[in-house]
Amino acid sequence: KQEVTQIPAALSVPEGENLVLNCSFTDSAIYNLQWFRQDPGKGLTSLLLIQSSQREQTSGRLNASLDKSSGRSTLYIAASQPGDSATYLCAVRYNFNKFYFGSGTKLNVKP
Amino acid sequence: DGGITQSPKYLFRKEGQNVTLSCEQNLNHDAMYWYRQDPGQGLRLIYYSQIVNDFQKGDIAEGYSVSREKKESFPLTVTSAQKNPTAFYLCASSETQGMNTEAFFGQGTRLTVV
Repeated sequence: KQEVTQIPAALSVPEGENLVLNCSFTDSAIYNLQWFRQDPGKGLTSLLLIQSSQREQTSGRLNASLDKSSGRSTLYIAASQPGDSATYLCAVRYNFNKFYFGSGTKLNVKP
Repeated sequence: DGGITQSPKYLFRKEGQNVTLSCEQNLNHDAMYWYRQDPGQGLRLIYYSQIVNDFQKGDIAEGYSVSREKKESFPLTVTSAQKNPTAFYLCASSETQGMNTEAFFGQGTRLTVV
């Protein structure tokens, strides 16, 4: 069974700090990996999609990397802001049918 | 404005009732999904559909039913057989062809049993 793990479950940092969120998966035969942001009581907003052939993707202050051989992806957030406070979820797609989600990392950026 | 619309935002169910959650998309995606989210847990797949008039059970399908009569619509019915239905329900859609198949989500429906 494919499993996706996110560490840490929660993270609190002061504003301005650079931070890294981790996502690991048990089966390396992925099609792609997607990072999402979820605000309380809301749906998921897509942040970055990395195809299996790519090593990283960047969008503004966000950079996501993918290492299939080790079963890991990281989301790097530069110069964090209070508005970045949310839960961040990674989802791994193994075929055209299903996504497998981690439990998320709840981020709190303190002013 | 393209996207996924879920309704209602909040839904209350009495014991023994069936309720239906709506999910509509105008992204022309073939695949649609229903997920359940409980506090502190990741999303768990209930049902998914790759094409009209076809759908498959996910990991926690018991007590739920779906239909896919139109490409843009994928309603979820929570039946009285679902013993613990209180949760946040999320609908998603995506393409099924190619590697760059980004998933898009609706804003969710919070279901509470009263």
